[in-house]
Parts: sequence; C-alpha cells; structure tokens
Amino acid sequence: EPEVTQTPSHQVTQMGQEVILRCVPISNHLYFYWYRQILGQKVEFLVSFYNNEISEKSEIFDDQFSVERPDGSNFTLKIRSTKLEDSAMYFCASSEGIGPSTDTQYFGPGTRLTVL
Amino acid sequence: AQKVTQAQTEISVVEKEDVTLDCVYETRDTTYYLFWYKQPPSGELVFLIRRNSFDEQNEISGRYSWNFQKSTSSFNFTITASQVVDSAVYFCALSEWETSGSRLTFGEGTQLTVNP
Repeated sequence: EPEVTQTPSHQVTQMGQEVILRCVPISNHLYFYWYRQILGQKVEFLVSFYNNEISEKSEIFDDQFSVERPDGSNFTLKIRSTKLEDSAMYFCASSEGIGPSTDTQYFGPGTRLTVL
Repeated sequence: AQKVTQAQTEISVVEKEDVTLDCVYETRDTTYYLFWYKQPPSGELVFLIRRNSFDEQNEISGRYSWNFQKSTSSFNFTITASQVVDSAVYFCALSEWETSGSRLTFGEGTQLTVNP
C-alpha cells in the first residue's frame, strides 16, 4: 500500500541553525501538507501546497518557514533559523484531491526535531 | 473557541470492555468533514474514518463504530471488545471547506489505555 515517507526520523540541531525536513508524498497525490505536534499536545496545521504554490498557511507558518517541491517526488519544509520552541514532531501529509472522497489526508511517520 | 473538543483526556479500560471516545465540534459551515486518526506509541498518525456533513449514517468497521449526530455536533467513536493493541492516542479532526479550506483542525486527543 502506498505511503508517505519522511526523512530523517529524528533531527537534532543547534538553535539558529537551518534545517530541512523531507517528505515523499504518495505518488498520485496532488495536495501536500505540513503539520506539527509539540510533545504531548495536539496536531497543528502549518501549511498546504498545491500546484507548486502555498494554498493556505497558519499563523504559525511565519517568515522563518518555507516549503518547496524541488523535484517530482520530494516535498520539503525548511526552517531558516531554528528556535527552542520549534522542537516538535513534524508530520507531512498528502491527499489525492480536495473534493469529496479524495480529500483524506494520509500522514507520514513524522520527523522529530530537537532544537538545543 | 475550541473547534474540536475531546473532553476525555485519558481513558483506561480492561481488555474486552467497550469504550466510547467523545468528539464535539463547532462550525458555521454547512459543508464540513470529520475524521478520526489513531496515534499509537510509535508516533505515526493512522487514518481511521472520514465522514461528510451530509451523511449522518453510522458506520461500523469490525470492532470500530462511529456515531455522527449533527443535532448535537458530535462524532463519537466506539471500540467494542477493546484489545491491548488499541492503546493509543485518538484524535478527532474537522475540515471546514467554506472557511478554512482543506486544513484539518484537530482536537486535543484522548489517550486510551487498554490493560490486559
């Protein structure tokens, strides 16, 4: 069964450093998402992406965040200058479409980001 | 205001007991979608079910069943004859097409522990 994959599974970085989190969405999916989950808290939407541009973003997704689809398979989240409060699990998700029966988002296993 | 409320933070049951996880949502949209996801101790988010606002039929899938009631804005999830492998955090989520597109708004989650 197709699945969303994410690398790395765990990333440790120093405050102020840039990190890139990578995701490979399900191959026939057109919509891509990033969410984050601070330890012990709920999952929060960051951004959605379609047709090589951002569709929506939350208030969390400020100028230090960016997303990119550098090639036909990868979808990345870049955090330019990490802060301690960026420590969280970051989930990538993808959906086939946005209409009825195609909008179910399937999630990857997550990347745990630890900022020291 | 919370858009998705899962009032039960933690539930502990003994194997073979039935358990119901509550989810109450708030929306002004007439078209919306509700989801349940499971997050086992390994951390990934596993899709369980999607329900649209026009379909109030209850659904059963094996030991799992869902009760959607628009009149009370609730979408509750019941596990029959619970098993230890059901131990996980369960999240209810809402997608409001008219106001916020395809983003998912998650509840706080309910930690279910099934003891042998």
